[in-house]
Amino acid sequence: ILNVEQSPQSLHVQEGDSTNFTCSFPSSNFYALHWYRWETAKSPEALFVMTLNGDEKKKGRISATLNTKEGYSYLYIKGSQPEDSATYLCAFYGGSQGNLIFGKGTKLSVKP
Amino acid sequence: NAGVTQTPKFQVLKTGQSMTLQCAQDMNHEYMSWYRQDPGMGLRLIHYSVGAGITDQGEVPNGYNVSRSTTEDFPLRLLSAAPSQTSVYFCASSYSDARGYTFGSGTRLTVV
Repeated sequence: ILNVEQSPQSLHVQEGDSTNFTCSFPSSNFYALHWYRWETAKSPEALFVMTLNGDEKKKGRISATLNTKEGYSYLYIKGSQPEDSATYLCAFYGGSQGNLIFGKGTKLSVKP
Repeated sequence: NAGVTQTPKFQVLKTGQSMTLQCAQDMNHEYMSWYRQDPGMGLRLIHYSVGAGITDQGEVPNGYNVSRSTTEDFPLRLLSAAPSQTSVYFCASSYSDARGYTFGSGTRLTVV
């Protein structure tokens, strides 16, 4: 069973702080790494899909980097806002098509 | 364009009963998956499909069956419900490995 680890489990920051989370995954048989944002009482929404070592993706104040050789990805949020409060999930595709395995997520709370 | 539609939204079953959770998508996505969400466990993959007629087991397949007779539909069958299957179930679909998944709104199942 593939293991996808996310840290920290939870994070409390003040509005305006910048923050980052880590996703670790197996470095062999890499195909793609996904990031999702999951707000309470809603469904997960895709943020980024990253496939190449060294990939950097950006959407507004949120960005992500990928290192497939060492098996990690970082998600950065610049100038956190209360509306950024959510659980951020990463998911790993390894080898088998369709077999997308999720980490347990990092729960971010941003205080005004 | 309805996206991914799951029914029912809520269900209470007695131990030993069987039922089918429905999932339909209207985006012509080849990939469809079922996940369950439990506290502290994140999203765990139950079964997935990469096209009509093709299904495979995920991390936690025991007690569940799936079939994919059309591109649009991917029902999940609970054969004999157990209290351990109390969970929130999410269906998701995508064009491919390199594209983000679209999630349904979830089915909250309680087995008593």
